[in-house]
Amino acid sequence: NAGVTQTPKFRILKIGQSMTLQCAQDMNHNYMYWYRQDPGMGLKLIYYSVGAGITDKGEVPNGYNVSRSTTEDFPLRLELAAPSQTSVYFCASSSTGVGANVLTFGAGSRLTVL
Amino acid sequence: QKEVEQDPGPLSVPEGAIVSLNCTYSNSAFQYFMWYRQYSRKGPELLMYTYSSGNKEDGRFTAQVDKSSKYISLFIRDSQPSDSATYLCAMSEGTGGFKTIFGAGTRLFVKA
Repeated sequence: NAGVTQTPKFRILKIGQSMTLQCAQDMNHNYMYWYRQDPGMGLKLIYYSVGAGITDKGEVPNGYNVSRSTTEDFPLRLELAAPSQTSVYFCASSSTGVGANVLTFGAGSRLTVL
Repeated sequence: QKEVEQDPGPLSVPEGAIVSLNCTYSNSAFQYFMWYRQYSRKGPELLMYTYSSGNKEDGRFTAQVDKSSKYISLFIRDSQPSDSATYLCAMSEGTGGFKTIFGAGTRLFVKA
């Protein structure tokens, strides 16, 4: 049981480049999330999805895009990378109902934009 | 004013000490309160989950919620070096991670 798997673990991008962070979960969770974590700032929600084909913006969506074509996968796309997107990105998932607040996180993807 | 305030620390204690970690919040509509533990270069993992006011105990860990004071606490008894991590409080008005607000986290070091 792998839980939530994120790839890559580390990546360095040049300003203006684009890339996709991959996220997959094997727990059959309907809800999936992307957060970024900056020092001293806590976790900020970028985008979330309540099921395949349904996505919505979180607190800090600018510069990012997502898609959810299957229950298992929730990739995060960075277009035209900027230094402000240097951060650690976490994908998470949760079930519905009483388990919806119990988030299972991946190990994180550390991104540096130079 | 941030919706959730948490002292970033670091907090350094000797092995065996009782640790108290705290968060304050401003939104009286929060009903669900969580504590996550995050080891260095790892993702957060759920440690405690409580609904509304009161206490919850799990082994060496006790979570307290005081809604009248808008204050939550996590106590760690007989702290161990393996407890060294960042502890994130989180709270939500309803169910669903998209409604969850996280504190900035407190870094804890337990010295052997």
